[in-house]
Amino acid sequence: EIVLTQSPGTLSLSPGERATLSCRASQSVSSSYLAWYQQKPGQAPRLLIYGASNRATGIPDRFSGSWSGTDFTLTISRLEPEDFAVYYCQQYGSSPYTFGQGTKLEIK
Amino acid sequence: EVQLVQSGAEVKKPGESLRISCKGSGYTFTTYWISWLRQMPGKGLEWMGRIDPTDSYTNYNPSFQGHITISADKSISTAYLQWSSLKASDTAMYYCARIRYCSRTSCYAWFDPWGQGTLVTVSS
Repeated sequence: EIVLTQSPGTLSLSPGERATLSCRASQSVSSSYLAWYQQKPGQAPRLLIYGASNRATGIPDRFSGSWSGTDFTLTISRLEPEDFAVYYCQQYGSSPYTFGQGTKLEIK
Repeated sequence: EVQLVQSGAEVKKPGESLRISCKGSGYTFTTYWISWLRQMPGKGLEWMGRIDPTDSYTNYNPSFQGHITISADKSISTAYLQWSSLKASDTAMYYCARIRYCSRTSCYAWFDPWGQGTLVTVSS
C-alpha cells in the first residue's frame, strides 16, 4: 500500500501568515489522485482539495494544492482564525486508500 | 442539501455484536458508493471499505477484512457497518462518507460529504 508522510507534524503560525503543508508518497500516485481534508476538534473531516489541485465546492481560494512527482503541497495563502485545524492528505490512486498522519496547524 | 446522518454513540462489551448506520438524503442513494472510515482516539484516518448501494457489492481494506461487514439497504437509503464480535481495540470514531465516483473498474475515491461520526466504545 502507498504510505503518505506529512510534514511538519505541527506548524505554528499567526493569522495572516502563509502556511505550507507537505505530503510525500512512498510511490507514484496514479494521475495525481490526491485529496486534502481539514478536521476541526469534534468535527468530521471536510474535503478541501481533490485531484491534487482542484478546490472543492465552497472552499475559499486562499487554499491551493500543487504537486511535483510524489511530493504534494497544500498552501494556505493568508491564514484566517478558522483555518487552525488538523489537515490530512489522502491518496485514491490505488486501493487500499490511505491517509497521511496529519499536520496540526496551531496558532503561534 | 446532501447529508449523511449516522446513528448515535454506542457502548459495548468485548465479544458483543454491533451494527451502526448511515442514512443518505438529498441525493439518489444508489448513484454514489459509500465508504466507512475509522479514527482511533487521537489518531489519523483509516479507510475500511466501500459499498455500491445498487447491489451491495463491497470491497474491503485487507486490514479490516474478516472483522467487519459493510452492507446497505437501498430501499431506505442506509448503509451499515457491523461487527459480530467486538474487541477493545475497536474503540474509535467511525465515519461514513460518500465517494465521488466509483464503478467496478475505476474509482475517483475522494470523500465528500462525511457523516457526523459514530463513537463506539468497547469496554468490559
